[in-house]
Amino acid sequence: SQTIHQWPATLVQPVGSPLSLECTVEGTSNPNLYWYRQAAGRGLQLLFYSVGIGQISSEVPQNLSASRPQDRQFILSSKKLLLSDSGFYLCAWSVLAGEQYFGPGTRLTVT
Amino acid sequence: RKEVEQDPGPFNVPEGATVAFNCTYSNSASQSFFWYRQDCRKEPKLLMSVYSSGNEDGRFTAQLNRASQYISLLIRDSKLSDSATYLCAVNPPGTYKYIFGTGTRLKVLA
Repeated sequence: SQTIHQWPATLVQPVGSPLSLECTVEGTSNPNLYWYRQAAGRGLQLLFYSVGIGQISSEVPQNLSASRPQDRQFILSSKKLLLSDSGFYLCAWSVLAGEQYFGPGTRLTVT
Repeated sequence: RKEVEQDPGPFNVPEGATVAFNCTYSNSASQSFFWYRQDCRKEPKLLMSVYSSGNEDGRFTAQLNRASQYISLLIRDSKLSDSATYLCAVNPPGTYKYIFGTGTRLKVLA
């Protein structure tokens, strides 16, 4: 069966510090991978998605970037965090445009 | 008009009640639709896909109304454990993206 891992579960970072969140998927090949952010009490905002290694589509211009160095690995990064980057970051996977499954998420607080 | 819209609620219903939520979408060519459940401070979990012919899973029934461009979720015999936020998701045509509604909050009261 398929499993999706995200770490860390929680993170507190000062403004201006770098960020690296990692997501890995097991049990499937060539998944589509997604990064979402959910601000407190808000809906899911799609940040990036990838349909293959090295292929990244950005949905919202901001100080975040994403990379997919391996088939089942998706990384979200920032060089300098802003207060507005606080939120619940969720990685998800799907096969083509089918059902999408989410990882447990990383709760980021920028102080 | 937003691409996907939901009534934020909350819907407060007594145990055993039947409750229904709607989710409207703007792109008439959308093909794939889903309902998710999200508990507080947790990730969304897939509840069910919505097929053209409808979909039923126990107490939950999902339907698609293409003419009026909405999907619905019906919960029968509500349980306390059904209290959560219900998100709908739509896959726009020609993309691998998913557009989520902001969710409808359900509170089932004892």
